[in-house]
Amino acid sequence: DTAVSQTPKYLVTQMGNDKSIKCEQNLGHDTMYWYKQDSKKFLKIMFSYNNKELIINETVPNRFSPKSPDKAHLNLHINSLELGDSAVYFCASSPGLAGGVAYEQYFGPGTRLTVT
Amino acid sequence: AQSVAQPEDQVNVAEGNPLTVKCTYSVSGNPYLFWYVQYPNRGLQFLLKYITGDNLVKGSYGFEAEFNKSQTSFHLKKPSALVSDSALYFCAVRDRQTGANNLFFGTGTRLTVIP
Repeated sequence: DTAVSQTPKYLVTQMGNDKSIKCEQNLGHDTMYWYKQDSKKFLKIMFSYNNKELIINETVPNRFSPKSPDKAHLNLHINSLELGDSAVYFCASSPGLAGGVAYEQYFGPGTRLTVT
Repeated sequence: AQSVAQPEDQVNVAEGNPLTVKCTYSVSGNPYLFWYVQYPNRGLQFLLKYITGDNLVKGSYGFEAEFNKSQTSFHLKKPSALVSDSALYFCAVRDRQTGANNLFFGTGTRLTVIP
């Protein structure tokens, strides 16, 4: 069984379109994340959700909107796609928010988004 | 502010030789430190982490890392490299003081093990 899954694996679309990426984890984790990896492999956190509540929202354009229908799912919706949005988007999960505990994160396989 | 530096974009090592992938970090308080590996077209996989205690941490696939507070480093090591270790390696840090599990990643080091 796949621990953290994402769909689709590849997404090619035109500028101006709206698209969504879905993420599901079957690990029973409370916390889920979205990361963006650019063409130079730099990995940066975008959002963090804990028990369906937004915890972290880094400097991400408001065209990006995460939605967590339940704690096993965290979807990413992107409006008005731009060329610069082309990247690999990774979903991840961890048992909790951490506090004094150093939880490792479990990553999905990634979604390669290409905006033309 | 938190940051991680991986000074080498690329490390090449012969199969069977020891390998080191370097990482230095900067946090305002005490760190939690992590190493992840990314194989081609795959997500990141957790290798090991430093929380507290023994400065030498052992992880998956024979990897280990040494926490050095005075040098603010957390270098990844393996005594004998395998061709299958060829991948992209990421160091990450989190400040203990923050409540969120917000990891800051380095820019990655591509390890190539030459047969």
